[in-house]
Amino acid sequence: DQQVKQNSPSLSVQEGRISILNCDYTNSMFDYFLWYKKYPAEGPTFLISISSIKDKNEDGRFTVFLNKSAKHLSLHIVPSQPGDSAVYFCAASGRNNQGGKLIFGQGTELSVKP
Amino acid sequence: ETGVTQTPRHLVMGMTNKKSLKCEQHLGHNAMYWYKQSAKKPLELMFVYNFKEQTENNSVPSRFSPECPNSSHLFLHLHTLQPEDSALYLCASSLRSGGALETQYFGPGTRLLVL
Repeated sequence: DQQVKQNSPSLSVQEGRISILNCDYTNSMFDYFLWYKKYPAEGPTFLISISSIKDKNEDGRFTVFLNKSAKHLSLHIVPSQPGDSAVYFCAASGRNNQGGKLIFGQGTELSVKP
Repeated sequence: ETGVTQTPRHLVMGMTNKKSLKCEQHLGHNAMYWYKQSAKKPLELMFVYNFKEQTENNSVPSRFSPECPNSSHLFLHLHTLQPEDSALYLCASSLRSGGALETQYFGPGTRLLVL
C-alpha cells in the first residue's frame, strides 16, 4: 500500500522555466512533508519542508505548496537550472500514528536542459 | 556534506560472507535509521534507534543485524545475504525519533552487491 505517490517518474524542463513536481498521499494523519533531492551515488539531501498548519513554504527558488483537502503537495522550482537535475523524493510523516517515521514516494527524475 | 558519513561506499560480497556497514553522525542527533533503496523503488525503512534503543524493526530478515553502541554510531551487520539484497543502504539521523516536524539527514549510502 503506497501511502505516498509520485506518479511522474520523470520530468524534463528547459533552463529558466518552472519545474513543478507533484506528490499525493493517502494518510490524513500525515502532518509534516519534506522534499529531498538525490544525485547519483549520493544520499538524499534535505531541500524544504512544510507542516500541515501551512499551505505554502518558500526558500529561495524552491516553494512547496500543500493542499490538504486534495492530499496533494507540489514543489516548484523557478527558475530551473541545469544543476537542479536530480531525483526528487517527497516524504511524509505523522506524529500520531507513524512515530515520526518518514514514508517516501518513488521519486521523480528532473532533467533541466540548457 | 550532511554530517552523516557511511563506510564503505561500495561493497561486493558472496552469499556466505559476513560484513558490516558503518554509519557515523556528527550532528549531535539522538535518532539513527537504516534504509534500503532498491532499483525503481521508494526508500524502505529498516530499523530505527532512538537514544541507542531500537524502536523499530520493519519486518527485516534476521540476516540483517543492526547495532547502535552510542548515539553517534550505527552498524548494520550482514551475513548469508541473498542476491536480492543488493541495493543502496542509507543511514540517516535526526534529533530524535517520534517528535513533531523531525527532519532526517542522510549519509551518502553504501552500494551493496551480493553475488
